[in-house]
Amino acid sequence: DAGVTQSPTHLIKTRGQQVTLRCSPKSGHDTVSWYQQALGQGPQFIFQYYEEEERQRGNFPDRFSGHQFPNYSSELNVNALLLGDSALYLCASSFWQFKNIQYFGAGTRLSVL
Amino acid sequence: AQKITQTQPGMFVQEKEAVTLDCTYDTSDPSYGLFWYKQPSSGEMIFLIYQGSYDQQNATEGRYSLNFQKARKSANLVISASQLGDSAMYFCAMREGRDNAGNMLTFGGGTRLMVKP
Repeated sequence: DAGVTQSPTHLIKTRGQQVTLRCSPKSGHDTVSWYQQALGQGPQFIFQYYEEEERQRGNFPDRFSGHQFPNYSSELNVNALLLGDSALYLCASSFWQFKNIQYFGAGTRLSVL
Repeated sequence: AQKITQTQPGMFVQEKEAVTLDCTYDTSDPSYGLFWYKQPSSGEMIFLIYQGSYDQQNATEGRYSLNFQKARKSANLVISASQLGDSAMYFCAMREGRDNAGNMLTFGGGTRLMVKP
């Protein structure tokens, strides 16, 4: 039973570029959440997708956008990258109807130069 | 105001001893859930234990137990018989709202646990 998988594992971009991160949820899960974790801090919620719709959004600008596909996988897109976007991006999956226990992937480490 | 507070940035524990990691929370929602996650240096967040606000008994999962004191708004994690592999960052998190609502998790700043041989 595959857990949550994220790709790529590492990414280096320059300021102003755009990036797409990908996430496949744990088998049977239908909800995907994205978090940003800066170095030395706890994760911050970006947004959550269920039934291909954004259901909840944290305090992140519109440069951060996402998508969920019919197979429940998800993408996180960040436009006009800033140095401050350098972080570990974590994807979590869960089953909408059961206690919302979220299981996380290993993350994508993004460095913006 | 901070919703989740972890006051111990770092802690040491001797192998085979028990350790308590502190977590206090702030919410006015009567329905909420509290979670603990472990994050090794590899980066993956590993789910450890869950406590619902209406659960009458403290949650336990193997060597992990959650000391839930609702009136004090605290949800401390107790790890018994510490092992070297327990060395990691530990995060307390909260979900506000009903169990079947897809609400976000709010995390604390974490506690780094180091187990000494």
